[in-house]
Amino acid sequence: DIQMTQSPSTLSASVGDRVTITCRASQSISSWLAWYQQKPGKAPKLLIYEASTLETGVPSRFSGSGSGTEFTLTISSLQPDDFATYYCQHYNRYKFGQGTKLEIK
Amino acid sequence: EVQLVQSGGGLVQPGGSLRLSCAASGFTFSDYWMSWVRQAPGKGLEWVANIKKDGTEKYYVDSVKGRLTMSRDNAKNSLYLQMNSLRVEDTAVYYCARDRDSGYAGGDALDIWGQGTMVTVSS
Repeated sequence: DIQMTQSPSTLSASVGDRVTITCRASQSISSWLAWYQQKPGKAPKLLIYEASTLETGVPSRFSGSGSGTEFTLTISSLQPDDFATYYCQHYNRYKFGQGTKLEIK
Repeated sequence: EVQLVQSGGGLVQPGGSLRLSCAASGFTFSDYWMSWVRQAPGKGLEWVANIKKDGTEKYYVDSVKGRLTMSRDNAKNSLYLQMNSLRVEDTAVYYCARDRDSGYAGGDALDIWGQGTMVTVSS
């Protein structure tokens, strides 16, 4: 069973910062990875699929990269609306990482 | 507008039953696999089950096999989750979601989500 591990679990940053969240798979998953944003009390929102393709309507400050076992989600310049929890997900059996909470510093 | 609107949920005693519903609109429902994902209070996301476009194949996470049953009615553009023999550990917000149809066998990204419905199992 493939495990997905995100780091860090919590990230404190300021508006305008560039931030990166990492997701590691316990074995190679090619590019079959998605990223989601979830705000409190709301459903998750798909940001990126197939590791690096931006979902329609998602701001271009979000980007994804990686393949195999290591992936990153980068926000180039944090906006106030970006403070949320982020999850990676491998397609097979919809395996989610444990989440990264992005907090205001 | 493409959307999923959920109903059902609530408080139930251990061993009880509930039925969740999810109404799809704005897209051709029968063209997509669909999933249920849950989130226990303060915890992360856990996939629960999915169902093929025509309803002929269904897959479940091990912890719910034999107790939760997913179904769909393509004529009514609706998805269902029948929950029997509920346990305290089934307490969570349950989301229905649309599989993106990426072509990957065994799962997908989830591009449209319902608003979620709370299921509380407690005596």
